[in-house]
Amino acid sequence: EADIYQTPRYLVIGTGKKITLECSQTMGHDKMYWYQQDPGMELHLIHYSYGVNSTEKGDLSSESTVSRIRTEHFPLTLESARPSHTSQYLCASSELGGLSSYNEQFFGPGTRLTVL
Amino acid sequence: AQSVTQLDSHVSVSEGTPVLLRCNYSSSYSPSLFWYVQHPNKGLQLLLKYTSAATLVKGINGFEAEFKKSETSFHLTKPSAHMSDAAEYFCVVSDRGGTASKLTFGTGTRLQVTL
Repeated sequence: EADIYQTPRYLVIGTGKKITLECSQTMGHDKMYWYQQDPGMELHLIHYSYGVNSTEKGDLSSESTVSRIRTEHFPLTLESARPSHTSQYLCASSELGGLSSYNEQFFGPGTRLTVL
Repeated sequence: AQSVTQLDSHVSVSEGTPVLLRCNYSSSYSPSLFWYVQHPNKGLQLLLKYTSAATLVKGINGFEAEFKKSETSFHLTKPSAHMSDAAEYFCVVSDRGGTASKLTFGTGTRLQVTL
């Protein structure tokens, strides 16, 4: 079944640790996205990718980095976690898009990160 | 530039009564518009989308929305609320077309459904 997966779902970690949030999709989508969402707030785009070896920064500045070595995989890494990184991180994917497309995005269940 | 404004941060209705969640947008292009729902500790699920076909769009779980260009609105409605509808709802706008297009999210409306 085509879907988008995120692991872990919940992560509690100490300050200074390196973490990687995993995101995989089996829908064959070229575009993938990472959003950050604080409780009760809107989503902010922090990274996106058009395809393999493509990564772009989003609208909200983030200390995280991403990579896109395989089409289906778009991990997000924090080299040194801080309490200010505590948030929910949502991964999404969509078709590449063209003039006639409407860019529907499909979302994973999210990773709730807490940095102590 | 594009933006979306959700006019109510919280809406409370009784079970069985109608639901109205309001959304206004602005876009420099012919927009695509979406409503997403987010249940607690879950990812976002697409409820419905407008893509320049019919202006009245029907979605899942009995929800529908009407695109009104003259009012730049895309309000979400449901004739009869169910307890399971309690969630956060996001109105989203996207400029249509091109690989660089992005989604812009509203701040969300929390729907509470009471007995």
